[in-house]
Amino acid sequence: GAGVSQSPRYKVTKRGQDVALRCDPISGHVSLYWYRQALGQGPEFLTYFNYEAQQDKSGLPNDRFSAERPEGSISTLTIQRTEQRDSAMYRCASSLGLVGGRGSEETQYFGPGTRLLVL
Amino acid sequence: QQQVKQSPQSLIVQKGGISIINCAYENTAFDYFPWYQQFPGKGPALLIAIRPDVSEKKEGRFTISFNKSAKQFSLHIMDSQPGDSATYFCAASMSNRGSTLGRLYFGRGTQLTVWP
Repeated sequence: GAGVSQSPRYKVTKRGQDVALRCDPISGHVSLYWYRQALGQGPEFLTYFNYEAQQDKSGLPNDRFSAERPEGSISTLTIQRTEQRDSAMYRCASSLGLVGGRGSEETQYFGPGTRLLVL
Repeated sequence: QQQVKQSPQSLIVQKGGISIINCAYENTAFDYFPWYQQFPGKGPALLIAIRPDVSEKKEGRFTISFNKSAKQFSLHIMDSQPGDSATYFCAASMSNRGSTLGRLYFGRGTQLTVWP
């Protein structure tokens, strides 16, 4: 079946502009995660949702970053007043997220990412 | 502060050899330890994962060894192949009682090159 999809795949913007990154998780997946990955580094957690509820936003760098998942499916990560240091690969992941699940239910499936470049 | 420390940063192995990547963690609340494989231009994909109630898990040529007392775990790739050339990330997570897993804490990654 279809995996996690993200759009746009590439985004070039000017400093100070707002950007919205979209994630479409695997159908039926309860949990949705946002990570940021710098070149040559591992993904760094930003925030995650169970259904539409934001469970943990402790990884968001500052209040210019926000995320929502209003209907418990598609999620949007918004960066306001972008800065050059925001340039990175933004990755979304989803998992079945069953309560008390073990094994495959826990697997986080990653999307292809959105490469953001702030000029 | 890096919650999961991974080494080496890069590794070159001859075809047929054994690749070994090591990770260490501090937080004893971690109870799920996956390894992800990432090819250039792609997102990370789960390779194999282990829970701390076992000391070893094997899937084909890939084995995780887990040492709870030392708070270390490692990935062994037997009979390494050129197609295994990729970046490997170890990670750790903790489950909330009665709830889902939260965030993954990733290591910095190991770039593996397998020469034919």
